[in-house]
Amino acid sequence: NAGVTQTPKFQVLKTGQSMTLQCAQDMNHNSMYWYRQDPGMGLRLIYYSASEGTTDKGEVPNGYNVSRLNKREFSLRLESAAPSQTSVYFCASSRGQGASNEKLFFGSGTQLSVL
Amino acid sequence: RKEVEQDPGPFNVPEGATVAFNCTYSNSASQSFFWYRQDCRKEPKLLMSVYSSGNEDGRFTAQLNRASQYISLLIRDSKLSDSATYLCVVNGASGGSYIPTFGRGTSLIVHP
Repeated sequence: NAGVTQTPKFQVLKTGQSMTLQCAQDMNHNSMYWYRQDPGMGLRLIYYSASEGTTDKGEVPNGYNVSRLNKREFSLRLESAAPSQTSVYFCASSRGQGASNEKLFFGSGTQLSVL
Repeated sequence: RKEVEQDPGPFNVPEGATVAFNCTYSNSASQSFFWYRQDCRKEPKLLMSVYSSGNEDGRFTAQLNRASQYISLLIRDSKLSDSATYLCVVNGASGGSYIPTFGRGTSLIVHP
C-alpha cells in the first residue's frame, strides 16, 4: 500500500528555471495539500484542494501554481524558481469528507535547492 | 501573531524523565487538534488526536483546554527513541473544509 507518493525526492534548480513536483495518493482521499517546511518555521500551507476540481490558496501561495489533475494527483509548479523557494516540500492528503477530525497522510518530501 | 504557537525548545531531558509541551491557538472556532511527530528530514506522522476529555496512549497523554485555547502533550518515562520534533496541529474551518495549521514544532532531545 503506497499511500502518498511524491517525486522527485531531491532537486537542484538554477534561478529562473521551472519545475513540477508530482504527488499521487491511492487512498481515494478527496483532499490534498502542499506544504513547505523551512528551518524553524514549521509547515506552511501553500495550496490545497478540498475536492477534485477545486484548488485554494494557503498561507504562502506566491510563486506557485497547482493542478488537481484527477482525484489521485495534485501537482505543484514553480514557474520561475527563486532562492527563497529553497525548502522541503511535503504533499499530504486526507479523506476530506467534511469531518473536522481528519488526520493527514504525508508523502516523504522533496528537498529543493534553488541556486 | 501566528495561529498556532509552540515553544521551539529544545527540551533536553534524561531517559526516564517526564516532559510536557504546550501549544496555544488563536482561532476559538478551531474544531480538532492533533500532535504529530517528525524525525529529522522525514515526513510528519500522527502521534495522537487530542480529545476534549483528554486522552492517553501508553506513555503519552494529551489534554485540551478550550477556555484557554491550548493543548498539551505529556510524555512519561522518556526513551531515547522519543527524540524528535513534536508538531501541534489545529484544524480550523474554511469554506466548508477543515484546514490543518501547524505550529513550528518543539524539539525534544532525550539523552542517556
